[in-house]
Amino acid sequence: ETGVTQSPTHLIKTRGQQVTLRCSSQSGHNTVSWYQQALGQGPQFIFQYYREEENGRGNFPPRFSGLQFPNYSSELNVNALELDDSALYLCASSLGMVGYGYTFGSGTRLTVV
Amino acid sequence: AQSVTQPDIHITVSEGASLELRCNYSYGATPYLFWYVQSPGQGLQLLLKYFSGDTLVQGIKGFEAEFKRSQSSFNLRKPSVHWSDAAEYFCAVAPEESNYQLIWGAGTKLIIKP
Repeated sequence: ETGVTQSPTHLIKTRGQQVTLRCSSQSGHNTVSWYQQALGQGPQFIFQYYREEENGRGNFPPRFSGLQFPNYSSELNVNALELDDSALYLCASSLGMVGYGYTFGSGTRLTVV
Repeated sequence: AQSVTQPDIHITVSEGASLELRCNYSYGATPYLFWYVQSPGQGLQLLLKYFSGDTLVQGIKGFEAEFKRSQSSFNLRKPSVHWSDAAEYFCAVAPEESNYQLIWGAGTKLIIKP
């Protein structure tokens, strides 16, 4: 059983650029959630995808967007990067709703300069 | 506002000593409650969860947590810590009205003294 894989592990981007982060969900999981974790803070919910549809969204602007593919892998896209977007981006997969518990990837560390 | 509070930013415990990490939440109903652990360079790992029933739940790595409705608390405990327990611990809540997301505390960093 494979876990959740995220790529890349580290990324440096310039303010105003666009970035795409990728996530492969755990085998058998049909739900993917994305979280942003700033340094010294707990994760903040960005959005969740269930069977390729957005299932819920946190308090993030529209320049944060996502996709889920038929194999349940997912992408997080961020346009017009700002310095405050620097954070660890975590992908979590689950079978159905959050109550079943997430499996997290190791995250992508994004630095915006 | 709905929130999860972990009052201790850092806790230092001697190896072999007992541990209690505090978590309080502010929701009207009983949410789903979770504890996760995050080691440096690694993702978050689920230690245990509470949905309903017995208020004392057992988790992995010898951890347990007790849900106290009257105190809106879900404290994590371990009778004897090991050096490998050094990590950051997060309490999280899934509000019943929105159980597609987790609301997280700010975390407690556990430091183990030899």
